[in-house]
Amino acid sequence: KAGVTQTPRYLIKTRGQQVTLSCSPISGHRSVSWYQQTPGQGLQFLFEYFSETQRNKGNFPGRFSGRQFSNSRSEMNVSTLELGDSALYLCASSLDGRASETQYFGPGTRLLVL
Amino acid sequence: DQQVKQNSPSLSVQEGRISILNCDYTNSMFDYFLWYKKYPAEGPTFLISISSIKDKNEDGRFTVFLNKSAKHLSLHIVPSQPGDSAVYFCAALNYGGSQGNLIFGKGTKLSVKP
Repeated sequence: KAGVTQTPRYLIKTRGQQVTLSCSPISGHRSVSWYQQTPGQGLQFLFEYFSETQRNKGNFPGRFSGRQFSNSRSEMNVSTLELGDSALYLCASSLDGRASETQYFGPGTRLLVL
Repeated sequence: DQQVKQNSPSLSVQEGRISILNCDYTNSMFDYFLWYKKYPAEGPTFLISISSIKDKNEDGRFTVFLNKSAKHLSLHIVPSQPGDSAVYFCAALNYGGSQGNLIFGKGTKLSVKP
């Protein structure tokens, strides 16, 4: 089975721009979660999608949004980029998003905002 | 306020010795704890977990200990190998919730020297 894939792997943007990141979960997985990793804050939960619906949301501003498609692929969007948005964005998938299930992470998209 | 704390940003251990990584939590609602390992340029991978009804869980060279009264858990790696060099994240959640409630610590970078 192919693992979780994320595109692009690296991205450079400038302040004020917007960006869209993509995540393809493991086949059969319906839950997709997004995390932001920064050196100062570690791994922080952004949101979780299940069956095309946002089921949980972390404590991030409205500039961060996402969606999930019928094939479970997910995208996250960050609008009006700020320097502090520079981070590694990780996507993780699991079967149904239950706490008892292992989350499988993708390699991440490293975003640099200049 | 950080609910999951890994107070040691880094740890260096000699090959063959024991590595002990520590994690403290503040939220008494947490009842399921996980450790993830992360290599550079890869996403975190699940290592081992423990439920609050246990105080120890073992998987090969990896053992996690949970002290509920102290709200403390630790990961023991015996014997440590150079391939164990990675960043280790402790995570916690309320088992009744979905994966979206996974709260991570900031990570401890383990270096195992040959």
